[in-house]
Amino acid sequence: QQQVKQSPQSLIVQKGGISIINCAYENTAFDYFPWYQQFPGKGPALLIAIRPDVSEKKEGRFTISFNKSAKQFSLHIMDSQPGDSATYFCAASGMDSNYQLIWGAGTKLIIKP
Amino acid sequence: KAGVTQTPRYLIKTRGQQVTLSCSPISGHRSVSWYQQTPGQGLQFLFEYFSETQRNKGNFPGRFSGRQFSNSRSEMNVSTLELGDSALYLCASSEGGLNEKLFFGSGTQLSVL
Repeated sequence: QQQVKQSPQSLIVQKGGISIINCAYENTAFDYFPWYQQFPGKGPALLIAIRPDVSEKKEGRFTISFNKSAKQFSLHIMDSQPGDSATYFCAASGMDSNYQLIWGAGTKLIIKP
Repeated sequence: KAGVTQTPRYLIKTRGQQVTLSCSPISGHRSVSWYQQTPGQGLQFLFEYFSETQRNKGNFPGRFSGRQFSNSRSEMNVSTLELGDSALYLCASSEGGLNEKLFFGSGTQLSVL
């Protein structure tokens, strides 16, 4: 009940397009859902996070959509730019995981100019 | 403020040896957590230290251990290295714990030959 499944594994999007990455979790007690962005040679950096009291959160070109009943959340990157090319990780945590983040396997995103 | 600093950046060891990795968190951050990252596997949580006490532990064998000093700096030790321990080891710090924004270092790339 502690898994977070992330898809797709890799994604190629044209510049200016919309990038969409999906995650599904199993534990209904999870209450914190962050997305991290990682560039080669660097550690992950928090991009945006959501808690289940809202269904959507937007920060600039990045939006998290959250569907509590389906136990799914997704990251949308609008107007994707070559600088967005990175690996993206979703994660989830809550009291049941002792607040340890349970991570998805990552999505390698390539934005073609 | 300086970011999270991990040393060394790269390390090559042979099977059976032991290794110590170091992490200096952001000033004022009391929580330090460690992660193992391997290609396609996402991040696996090792443990978290808060005010010199181990507060959370992941599912890794006892060969993996850590500690935190009074200045919040942390070390991770792996004894009797195995080939499968080859990975990027990441350290993250936060003000209060795992359920908030984590600031990651660039990691230590460990290769076990």
